[in-house]
Amino acid sequence: DQQVKQNSPSLSVQEGRISILNCDYTNSMFDYFLWYKKYPAEGPTFLISISSIKDKNEDGRFTVFLNKSAKHLSLHIVPSQPGDSAVYFCAASKSHSSFGAGTTVTVRA
Amino acid sequence: DSGVTQTPKHLITATGQRVTLRCSPRSGDLSVYWYQQSLDQGLQFLIQYYNGEERAKGNILERFSAQQFPDLHSELNLSSLELGDSALYFCASSVGGAGEQYFGPGTRLTVT
Repeated sequence: DQQVKQNSPSLSVQEGRISILNCDYTNSMFDYFLWYKKYPAEGPTFLISISSIKDKNEDGRFTVFLNKSAKHLSLHIVPSQPGDSAVYFCAASKSHSSFGAGTTVTVRA
Repeated sequence: DSGVTQTPKHLITATGQRVTLRCSPRSGDLSVYWYQQSLDQGLQFLIQYYNGEERAKGNILERFSAQQFPDLHSELNLSSLELGDSALYFCASSVGGAGEQYFGPGTRLTVT
């Protein structure tokens, strides 16, 4: 139902630099937003989340920003490390989560 | 290890057949979710159960059905299988209905 969109299917970044992943949503009823990370042959793992009452949440190298007026959220990873190479899914939630299509991040040494 | 288990890990079957995928949630989690991930696609939400009751339904085909049992494990039944049903099927669980979910390793279904 395409309520959550990740328009960049892939991102390549130099080790040590910042990775910025973007996500847009259409349903203003979503009140909780999450990022998940997925390695090949594994299930997604929860990374970081943000409630709609906040505009920023930080956890170590990961920061999520929420712009409710633009219905946009982003994930910043700094500094990027080779182990960050994975697929990142954005999700938006009300009663259940809707996921974006994912962005494949490749961190170059 | 997320604590969510899924069986089987791989399943190969023929068109027209029926299969059952099984999921055991993390201890203490009441919600179970099923997702389908086809090649190069995102995670498509299929259905959610909370403490045995259906809570939300997504893009689940009529040929598919699910249930959550009193011990909270869940099964996803796929019938009259078609080639396009070949995908990774993930189960996830959470304590409540809308927070972070913990995913199992997935079942890879191949329909030939």
